[in-house]
Amino acid sequence: DAKTTQPPSMDCAEGRAANLPCNHSTISGNEYVYWYRQIHSQGPQYIIHGLKNNETNEMASLIITEDRKSSTLILPHATLRDTAVYYCIVRVAGLTGGGNKLTFGTGTQLKVEL
Amino acid sequence: DTEVTQTPKHLVMGMTNKKSLKCEQHMGHRAMYWYKQKAKKPPELMFVYSYEKLSINESVPSRFSPECPNSSLLNLHLHALQPEDSALYLCASSPRAGTTGNTIYFGEGSWLTVV
Repeated sequence: DAKTTQPPSMDCAEGRAANLPCNHSTISGNEYVYWYRQIHSQGPQYIIHGLKNNETNEMASLIITEDRKSSTLILPHATLRDTAVYYCIVRVAGLTGGGNKLTFGTGTQLKVEL
Repeated sequence: DTEVTQTPKHLVMGMTNKKSLKCEQHMGHRAMYWYKQKAKKPPELMFVYSYEKLSINESVPSRFSPECPNSSLLNLHLHALQPEDSALYLCASSPRAGTTGNTIYFGEGSWLTVV
């Protein structure tokens, strides 16, 4: 599995953009980058994923560098409810025996403050 | 609607008890998962079911016994647990297994306390 590296914590002012970086320098060509977040005491919530191109949905934008060795999750207007642990995950492809191993790293604790 | 429902939300059990955690999804997903999460740690994969067959067991102790009665249901049977098994148990599902770009959706989890 490609490993990911994220800063352990970040702060962001409410209403500002939150930019969460992730390094995945050993990513393979057919591995996707996924982002999940986990608000305290809740299950992980899917945010967005991408392979090569930048992606945007109603929650966030995902910017993947051209060499695919790093990415940035952007929350355009962070609110207090965005305070959570954000996980950047690289998906393993083509496992034998079926199934997907979604392997979580330690993530980034984002704290959004007034 | 991406909804995975887990029951119970909270469970307290003794070390000699037998209990079960239940998970249900009605999204037509054909892969289902159990994860375990200890306090302040990331979730760790326990089991994967693909088309109702166990496809991955991450060397989980036999006191945890998964069961997939049909494509919508996933159970985790618990017997002779230890206090260190206390954790948040997360169920998840995805449309199918073994394919990248295949999003996994999680339930809210069941908090288990072993006394």
